Amino acid sequence: TQLLEQSPQFLSIQEGENLTVYCNSSSVFSSLQWYRQEPGEGPVLLVTVVTGGEVKKLKRLTFQFGDARKDSSLHITAAQPGDTGLYLCAAYMEYGNKLVFGAGTILRVKS
Amino acid sequence: EAGVTQSPTHLIKTRGQQVTLRCSPISGHTSVYWYQQALGLGLQFLLWYDEGEERNRGNFPPRFSGRQFPNYSSELNVNALELEDSALYLCASSYSGTESRSGYTFGSGTRLTVV
Repeated sequence: TQLLEQSPQFLSIQEGENLTVYCNSSSVFSSLQWYRQEPGEGPVLLVTVVTGGEVKKLKRLTFQFGDARKDSSLHITAAQPGDTGLYLCAAYMEYGNKLVFGAGTILRVKS
Repeated sequence: EAGVTQSPTHLIKTRGQQVTLRCSPISGHTSVYWYQQALGLGLQFLLWYDEGEERNRGNFPPRFSGRQFPNYSSELNVNALELEDSALYLCASSYSGTESRSGYTFGSGTRLTVV
């Protein structure tokens, strides 16, 4: 079983639609990160959230960390084809100083 | 500023062979992390090197090993390749081990295919 469960696994939407991707766990984390990965490339860090209830915005992307620091969501407003990619959440594990990744959500935005 | 660079970009090996992958971190970064991204399995933590020492390793067999050089570049070695080793191998770096909580900078990866 994955420490971080992401949903949905795959999302195909039309340009201009809104969407939300979820990252859930039964564990509490000190920080959580979101990455976007395009085919043939490594993941690129989008945001880090550290405080329960924290909300961060990056243009049309809104990231929220759950109050209990066990879950997070990524909301995209008016999706564009350039948003297409694999979205990964990652939690920082203090023991071993490593990031643990969810399996990811594949987003496809059709024009 | 150059990012994390990995070589080669693609590699095809036969089962049972050995392979070495290379990673150069961002200048000033002392920590290097290796991850395996197999199809459908997400990123799995392999190894963490900091200041030339192996600091942590993931749940992988001993035939996965590596090292970090004095210039902080790193190698990942995989012996006795198996078909299931086919994956994208990603290297990431950070200023120091304690910076992991702030996120990594990843390279573009090495795509290894074992036939």
